Amino acid sequence: GNSVTQMEGPVTLSEEAFLTINCTYTATGYPSLFWYVQYPGEGLQLLLKATKADDKGSNKGFEATYRKETTSFHLEKGSVQVSDSAVYFCALSSPGEKLTFGTGTRLTIIP
Amino acid sequence: SAVISQKPSRDICQRGTSLTIQCQVDSQVTMMFWYRQQPGQSLTLIATANQGSEATYESGFVIDKFPISRPNLTFSTLTVSNMSPEDSSIYLCSVGTDPSQGNIQYFGAGTRLSVL
Repeated sequence: GNSVTQMEGPVTLSEEAFLTINCTYTATGYPSLFWYVQYPGEGLQLLLKATKADDKGSNKGFEATYRKETTSFHLEKGSVQVSDSAVYFCALSSPGEKLTFGTGTRLTIIP
Repeated sequence: SAVISQKPSRDICQRGTSLTIQCQVDSQVTMMFWYRQQPGQSLTLIATANQGSEATYESGFVIDKFPISRPNLTFSTLTVSNMSPEDSSIYLCSVGTDPSQGNIQYFGAGTRLSVL
């Protein structure tokens, strides 16, 4: 079955630091890949997505590239802000299959 | 993307009671789902809410504990029955797009439930 392995947290960075949160997956067929973000006290918001190999999803300065050869979808941001503090979930969905989430990575940005 | 309204946003309940959570979508959607997020954990799918028929439950979840209604294509409810402190979680509804749109799911803000 499908699975997502996500970088363990928590992660603490200083403002303006470079961020990488690793995500690798196992899936049948050609899944769609997602990053969701959960800000404190809120539900999940779709941050970005990629639906085929080599696609790059981007939003709010965050980027992730669908790498089929390494089965990865790492999240990156060049300069994080305090407002980026949240929990980040990597997820995938194969056609006809349910959405599978990683365990989540809690990110804290300190000024 | 769909606008999903979920209520209540939070509640504190006594053990043995039941709580019904409502999920309203601003457009007709085929697929609606209910998830549980236990404290500090990822999301676990409870069931798929099917319009006009019984919900499809995941392993470990049963209809007697989590009855679900889906009377139309814009509305669903989840009831948490005979609650115990172990049911303290965030409950989220989501709606799904079809495969041609990338199988995206959009989530409501969640219901934060504490059971005393």
